[in-house]
Amino acid sequence: SQQGEEDPQALSIQEGENATMNCSYKTSINNLQWYRQNSGRGLVHLILIRSNEREKHSGRLRVTLDTSKKSSSLLITASRAADTASYFCATAGGGYSTLTFGKGTMLLVSP
Amino acid sequence: DAGVIQSPRHEVTEMGQEVTLRCKPISGHNSLFWYRQTMMRGLELLIYFNNNVPIDDSGMPEDRFSAKMPNASFSTLKIQPSEPRDSAVYFCASSETSGNSYEQYFGPGTRLTVT
Repeated sequence: SQQGEEDPQALSIQEGENATMNCSYKTSINNLQWYRQNSGRGLVHLILIRSNEREKHSGRLRVTLDTSKKSSSLLITASRAADTASYFCATAGGGYSTLTFGKGTMLLVSP
Repeated sequence: DAGVIQSPRHEVTEMGQEVTLRCKPISGHNSLFWYRQTMMRGLELLIYFNNNVPIDDSGMPEDRFSAKMPNASFSTLKIQPSEPRDSAVYFCASSETSGNSYEQYFGPGTRLTVT
């Protein structure tokens, strides 16, 4: 079953604006990861945040994690047309290496 | 490293035919995953191997699906007989599970169309 649920399902913004995507999950996790998928391609890992971390940065990406609310957010600052893609959150539970993916947020960044 | 390699990239077959999808994981990775992606169901984990041993195959839809990993550098996913509802993009991913990171690297996928 899908654990992560992204919100919104689709997001359309202009270049230069910030994009925020949210992810909610149901059970306890070891870590939460965000992936990007360009049309017709495989998923690419963006960032991982562990359950004992609250915030993490990587370039223009900022991820937060609130384990009390079982939610995470991905912020892309100063978006570019090349950021157009689907973004997925994935949760990893303890003991196994498997990930459970949400259905993703489709981001469209217009020039 | 070339990344995860999958073949074929596209496969069109008729209902009832056998389909074999192939995957070469990243060298040194000890975990391999097969996923299926459709618009309706999203990304579903089919089976997970660790050190060439199937650990969790609860996502395999039915007996028509089988997967093998004869060695650390090769895995196959077979569908026999194929049905139109098997049409999807099938991804293989690999990861190195030391260090408790679980980051996965995906191949480009095989787009399967069953007519």
